[in-house]
Amino acid sequence: GNSVTQMEGPVTLSEEAFLTINCTYTATGYPSLFWYVQYPGEGLQLLLKATKADDKGSNKGFEATYRKETTSFHLEKGSVQVSDSAVYFCALGLWNTDKLIFGTGTRLQVFP
Amino acid sequence: GAVVSQHPSRVICKSGTSVKIECRSLDFQATTMFWYRQFPKQSLMLMATSNEGSKATYEQGVEKDKFLINHASLTLSTLTVTSAHPEDSSFYICSARDGAISYNEQFFGPGTRLTVL
Repeated sequence: GNSVTQMEGPVTLSEEAFLTINCTYTATGYPSLFWYVQYPGEGLQLLLKATKADDKGSNKGFEATYRKETTSFHLEKGSVQVSDSAVYFCALGLWNTDKLIFGTGTRLQVFP
Repeated sequence: GAVVSQHPSRVICKSGTSVKIECRSLDFQATTMFWYRQFPKQSLMLMATSNEGSKATYEQGVEKDKFLINHASLTLSTLTVTSAHPEDSSFYICSARDGAISYNEQFFGPGTRLTVL
């Protein structure tokens, strides 16, 4: 079936450290891939997306590349800030449906 | 652009009462809206999908008589939790899809925290 697997958190980093949050997926067809971020007490905000293989999504210093050969969409940032502390959700959208399938989320905690 | 609002942001009610949550797309027409439920420190669980002018499609295990969804216009969907009980306490999030943009991309509201006493 279709699914998204994310690394378990929490991920705890010091400010300016390098961030990687792994995300792999299983899907039929040609899914779109998304990273959403949820700050405490808020809804989800789209962070970045990629709609086809080898696309790189980027926003606010975050990047993720759609790797079809490894079925991955890992989120990276070169230098995290305390304000990046949030829960990050990887999601896939199937080509033949409106629905999004979410991973379980990874909590990131950045300390000064 | 692509802003989705929810109202109220927080609601506390007594057991047995009904609560209505509104979801609005402010600057686009939402052909499809989604309702999710999120438990503490967990992922989002899709409850139902609604298209304007038609009945909502509920996910397996979601009681349609308990969670009434109405999508009366292209900018408004409502979720009514009927005869709420403490186990219905949760964070409810709506999202909307703009048919003019990416097929899958959803824009999320800020969420409504429901507490049933």
